[in-house]
Amino acid sequence: DTGVSQNPRHKITKRGQNVTFRCDPISEHNRLYWYRQTLGQGPEFLTYFQNEAQLEKSRLLSDRFSAERPKGSFSTLEIQRTEQGDSAMYLCASSSQGGETQYFGPGTRLLVL
Amino acid sequence: GDSVTQMEGPVTLSEEAFLTINCTYTATGYPSLFWYVQYPGEGLQLLLKATKADDKGSNKGFEATYRKETTSFHLEKGSVQVSDSAVYFCALPNTGTASKLTFGTGTRLQVTL
Repeated sequence: DTGVSQNPRHKITKRGQNVTFRCDPISEHNRLYWYRQTLGQGPEFLTYFQNEAQLEKSRLLSDRFSAERPKGSFSTLEIQRTEQGDSAMYLCASSSQGGETQYFGPGTRLLVL
Repeated sequence: GDSVTQMEGPVTLSEEAFLTINCTYTATGYPSLFWYVQYPGEGLQLLLKATKADDKGSNKGFEATYRKETTSFHLEKGSVQVSDSAVYFCALPNTGTASKLTFGTGTRLQVTL
């Protein structure tokens, strides 16, 4: 078990471009979470999947953000028409059914110029 | 709603000094409590957790005791090392089925020789 992995680790893009991030959870974890962390702050919840179903979305997740987990394994987070305010670290975490402990990936750091 | 308050950093200590990072929480019921650590440029790693009142979580020389009476979960270490320099986050799972985590703002620890 290699833990939660995320790709890419870093992404620099120009304002208005679309970006997509990938998260591979710990195998057999059926819960997957996305968080956003800005400089000097703790992570903030964005959205949550149980298997392939997206069960909860934060108000932070504007219409430009979309997340999928098509087969209940890996997940993607897409940001359309990026804005400078989207610059942050995007963290993915996974947990087992009924498990409270979430295990985090290394994150994808996004910089929007 | 549920919330976590951490002491503001940075905390600067000499190697082998005693460490305390304060964390207090507001929650419905008695959730599990977590400490995560984030090293520069990396994601979050679970440091320790406690699942009920009076439980003591411990790992790598760090300890924290779940105090229901004072709604606190302070992190302590008897002798810090330079390698402990990182940002420490206190967190709790929100009540409800998703168990999304609510984090404090983090406390940066800098240990010097």
